[in-house]
Amino acid sequence: QSVLTQPPSASGTPGQRITISCSGGSSNIGAHTVNWYQHLPGTAPKLLIYLTNQRPSGVPDRFSGSKSGTSASLAISGLLSEDEADYYCSAWDASLNAAVFGGGTRLTVL
Amino acid sequence: LQLQESGPGLVKPSETLSLSCTVSGGSISGSARYYWAWIRQPPGKGLEWIGSIHYSGSTYYNPSLKSRIIISTDMSKNQFSLRLSSVTAADMAVYYCARRGCSGGECFFDYWGQGTLVTVSS
Repeated sequence: QSVLTQPPSASGTPGQRITISCSGGSSNIGAHTVNWYQHLPGTAPKLLIYLTNQRPSGVPDRFSGSKSGTSASLAISGLLSEDEADYYCSAWDASLNAAVFGGGTRLTVL
Repeated sequence: LQLQESGPGLVKPSETLSLSCTVSGGSISGSARYYWAWIRQPPGKGLEWIGSIHYSGSTYYNPSLKSRIIISTDMSKNQFSLRLSSVTAADMAVYYCARRGCSGGECFFDYWGQGTLVTVSS
């Protein structure tokens, strides 16, 4: 059971905008910034969004992050087939004194 | 920057898992800003942070694993390592090494290795 809760799956068609939610609590998302990682199985996970809404160099602006209270969201606009991957949210948890992750959301581009 | 995990892919129950992460394209002691981390993913499950180390030797571990973990650095090889003792089937996972960067006290894992699968079986 992951500390942060994500839907196990999401889907969309090319060109569509989708969002992936990440729900936590007052000791993690409510108190700290959120990071998002993109992972294609068999490859190194990639930092997609950090500090809740910042994109590392090279990440397209189709990807955006936001947070409200104890929940965060990753939005992907102009969906591409290459976006098909697993997406994980993460934050520091001050109560557990540990970095925590969501269980991951598998995005399928139909 | 590239990170590459290495170590046995099979460990017997009750024994110690030992993995190394070789960093290339940068030095683990090149900047005081970074910690170096281990993260794992059991089959079909989410990611779990194991612990992190600074080149100075400062470490912090996931409290749920703390009693079984040792993370260390070998500056001469530009590597950091993980030792996890008394393994059980629950420790079977893909193990990743990563670099942890921070900004304003908030941190994130900005570079990752490809991961190495460790199976626990007799």
